[in-house]
Amino acid sequence: AQSVTQPDIHITVSEGASLELRCNYSYGATPYLFWYVQSPGQGLQLLLKYFSGDTLVQGIKGFEAEFKRSQSSFNLRKPSVHWSDAAEYFCAVGGTGTYKYIFGTGTRLKVLA
Amino acid sequence: GAGVSQSPSNKVTEKGKDVELRCDPISGHTALYWYRQRLGQGLEFLIYFQGNSAPDKSGLPSDRFSAERTGESVSTLTIQRTQQEDSAVYLCASSRGGQGPPLNYGYTFGSGTRLTVV
Repeated sequence: AQSVTQPDIHITVSEGASLELRCNYSYGATPYLFWYVQSPGQGLQLLLKYFSGDTLVQGIKGFEAEFKRSQSSFNLRKPSVHWSDAAEYFCAVGGTGTYKYIFGTGTRLKVLA
Repeated sequence: GAGVSQSPSNKVTEKGKDVELRCDPISGHTALYWYRQRLGQGLEFLIYFQGNSAPDKSGLPSDRFSAERTGESVSTLTIQRTQQEDSAVYLCASSRGGQGPPLNYGYTFGSGTRLTVV
């Protein structure tokens, strides 16, 4: 079955600390992988996406993610978190010839000053 | 417009009433999607429109749900005889079409309509 798992429902980090949000997927074909961020009252904003090529992808706002096929993972990282990064983060997977995303349940990030 | 616009932003309705949610996609975007986001859950695909093709309604949870789109313009999602389990944020997204998979072009999401059924 196709699925996306984000094992951490909530994460709290101090401002300036590093961040890693986990995402594992199950998908029968070559996956397209995405990370979205949702700030309170806002729609989802695309942070980055992976289709093929270099497995380390850079996104907006200083985020990066690494695709590891052997681990079926696409973890999101940021070296130094800012207070404005507090939001909910969603991992999603899709594939060639499809227009649907499968979303994870999200990870809510809290940043301590 | 510059972004995907959804209205209303919030809707409180009584159980059993019908509601209509509206989505204005980005001008020129041929693909339009509706997703539902229940509290503590991921986004669920509801329906997909692409140009004048027949929509993919496979995600609609029951026959109380329906959606329409005329051409490449506004879409409305209608929920009849609302139930408390319909309470959720309903998100609309649009994407430009092309020769490649629609996901290549990315979605632009609206800020959603928060529906509360009391």
